[in-house]
Amino acid sequence: AQSVTQLDSQVPVFEEAPVELRCNYSSSVSVYLFWYVQYPNQGLQLLLKYLSGSTLVKGINGFEAEFNKSQTSFHLRKPSVHISDTAEYFCAVSITGGFKTIFGAGTRLFVKA
Amino acid sequence: DAGVIQSPRHEVTEMGQEVTLRCKPISGHNSLFWYRQTMMRGLELLIYFNNNVPIDDSGMPEDRFSAKMPNASFSTLKIQPSEPRDSAVYFCASSFLGLGTGELFFGEGSRLTVL
Repeated sequence: AQSVTQLDSQVPVFEEAPVELRCNYSSSVSVYLFWYVQYPNQGLQLLLKYLSGSTLVKGINGFEAEFNKSQTSFHLRKPSVHISDTAEYFCAVSITGGFKTIFGAGTRLFVKA
Repeated sequence: DAGVIQSPRHEVTEMGQEVTLRCKPISGHNSLFWYRQTMMRGLELLIYFNNNVPIDDSGMPEDRFSAKMPNASFSTLKIQPSEPRDSAVYFCASSFLGLGTGELFFGEGSRLTVL
C-alpha cells in the first residue's frame, strides 16, 4: 500500500521569504507524485506533478518540487512567497497506471506581511 | 470547459434526513472519484468509478452511504439516514485515465452540515 506523510501541519512565513513544504511517501512500486493547492472554500487544483524523467519539476505560480527516490521525498519549494500563496497544500501519490490517488494530511501555508 | 460541477454547494439538514449530492464530471473524462474532507481525517477517498462502473468502494464508511453513476455525465452520492458525524465537505473529482498522468480535476465541493 502507498502512504504519504506531510511533515509540517502549518508553516508560517513572511512575504518574500523562501519556503519548503516537506513530503515523504512510501510505496513498493513506482508512483506518480503530485502537489495540489486548496484555497479557502475551493476545490483542489494541481500545482505540479512528477511522472518520470527530470527530478526537478516546475509548476504554476513559481513553485517547484524535487523528486528524491533514495529518500522517498518530494518536497515543494518557492524562492519568494506572496500573500496570495496562503492556502493549504497537499502532497499526493498514485501508482503508475493505477486509479487511486492517496493524499497527505495537508500543510497550511500562512504568508505574513 | 466548465470543469467539474457539484451541487448543492451547501446543505444543512437534520439528523435522519436523506441527503443527495450531485456531480457532473468534465466531458470526456472516464473516471470519477468521491472524496470527503474533514479536519480530523483530512481527504478520504470514498469510492471511484471507471467508465461508469464502481471499481472500489472500500472507503465508503457505512451502508448508509451509496453512490451511483448512471451515465458518463452524472453521479450521485447519497446518505440515508444522515448523522451529525457525516458533516464534512464532499468533493467530486474526474480524470481521464489512459493518458497515464492520474491528474484529478476537482469540483468546488458540497459542504454538508447535519444538525
